[in-house]
Amino acid sequence: EVQLVESGGGLVQSGGSLRLSCAASGFPLRNYWMSWVRQAPGKGLEWVANIKEDGSEKYYVDSVKGRFTISRDNAKNSVFLQMNSLRVEDTAVFYCARYGIPGTFDYWGQGILVTVSS
Amino acid sequence: QSALTQPRSVSGSPGQSVAISCTGTSSDVGGYNYVSWYQQDPGKAPKLMIYDVNKRPSGVPDRFSGSKSGNTASLTISGLQAEDEADYYCCSFAGSHIYVFGTGTKVTVL
Repeated sequence: EVQLVESGGGLVQSGGSLRLSCAASGFPLRNYWMSWVRQAPGKGLEWVANIKEDGSEKYYVDSVKGRFTISRDNAKNSVFLQMNSLRVEDTAVFYCARYGIPGTFDYWGQGILVTVSS
Repeated sequence: QSALTQPRSVSGSPGQSVAISCTGTSSDVGGYNYVSWYQQDPGKAPKLMIYDVNKRPSGVPDRFSGSKSGNTASLTISGLQAEDEADYYCCSFAGSHIYVFGTGTKVTVL
């Protein structure tokens, strides 16, 4: 059974940093692109970042470029999102998602809340 | 990278059909057949319902179907059931490894 479990969220002040982790199980992480998607309170979904199977390619939504970094450790079955220079508008539930079938996020974690206070 | 446009809400009685539109541009919905749809219950993670415009993953009821015409994709729920009440989001590939989601539609079963 595919499982994705996020951790590392919490409350941080504006300008601060946070590192999210996603523990993957039930499938060979090294064979899949992985993604982060976020959802601000009461708002819609927003794709944040993708990372290639071997970590050699990374892509970001414009609003987080230069502030967020996606990475992975296939040996530890984990994907990470380092978030720096956090802003109030980054407050959201962050989901780790497997990029399975091309163009599709086929499995999702339960999400982790990140709250940025002013 | 503007969000795709969806109606805020749609509703129908049990057994009826409802359709949710997802309007983008030629740079996303109209340019690729990588449109997917996700169902999200309150407080839960999204669930994949349709991919590649009109394909259903294993386990998704066949009352869910997808289509696309030009820059607009659509999700149709036929034979609406109470359990279908949820938020629905479309998503499209937008080139250069970029993805854009829709604004979301709340489906209410009357």
